[in-house]
Amino acid sequence: DAKTTQPNSMESNEEEPVHLPCNHSTISGTDYIHWYRQLPSQGPEYVIHGLTSNVNNRMASLAIAEDRKSSTLILHRATLRDAAVYYCILRDVNFGNEKLTFGTGTRLTIIP
Amino acid sequence: DGGITQSPKYLFRKEGQNVTLSCEQNLNHDAMYWYRQDPGQGLRLIYYSQIVNDFQKGDIAEGYSVSREKKESFPLTVTSAQKNPTAFYLCASSIRGTFEAFFGQGTRLTVV
Repeated sequence: DAKTTQPNSMESNEEEPVHLPCNHSTISGTDYIHWYRQLPSQGPEYVIHGLTSNVNNRMASLAIAEDRKSSTLILHRATLRDAAVYYCILRDVNFGNEKLTFGTGTRLTIIP
Repeated sequence: DGGITQSPKYLFRKEGQNVTLSCEQNLNHDAMYWYRQDPGQGLRLIYYSQIVNDFQKGDIAEGYSVSREKKESFPLTVTSAQKNPTAFYLCASSIRGTFEAFFGQGTRLTVV
């Protein structure tokens, strides 16, 4: 399985943008980039996904490098409720591999 | 309401006993997953199933068993062969070939 590398932890001030990086240098052409986040004592929740182009939704934006070897999750205006562990995951959804493998993620702390 | 339900939320067992964790979903999802999470760690995949009556081992299947007799149910048995069973267990489901997986609230198993 293709691997991802994320910083163990990051801090950000409340109401400021947050950029969470992810490296995936061994990504294959059919791997989608997914982001999930896990609030304390809860199961992870889906945040966003993308393949090649940058993506926006109500929760966040995903910026994907042109060579696809890295990506950045952007929270435009962090709130205290965004404090969580953020996971960057690669997933091949061409029906050949439905595994969803998580790494250790980035623990995001929001400073009031 | 549609969703994925894990029960119980907390479970205590004596060492040497097998224990079965329940996971039920009414989302009509084909794929289901079991993960284990230890304190301060990421999620590790135990087993996953893409279709009824079929399942595959994940990264840490030793000491665990599963069944998938019904689409909506994917119970996990933690056997006495699992050396360190105390952990937070998470179940998830998704539609095959799609991007979003839904997680339950987890079962915290403590073996004494």
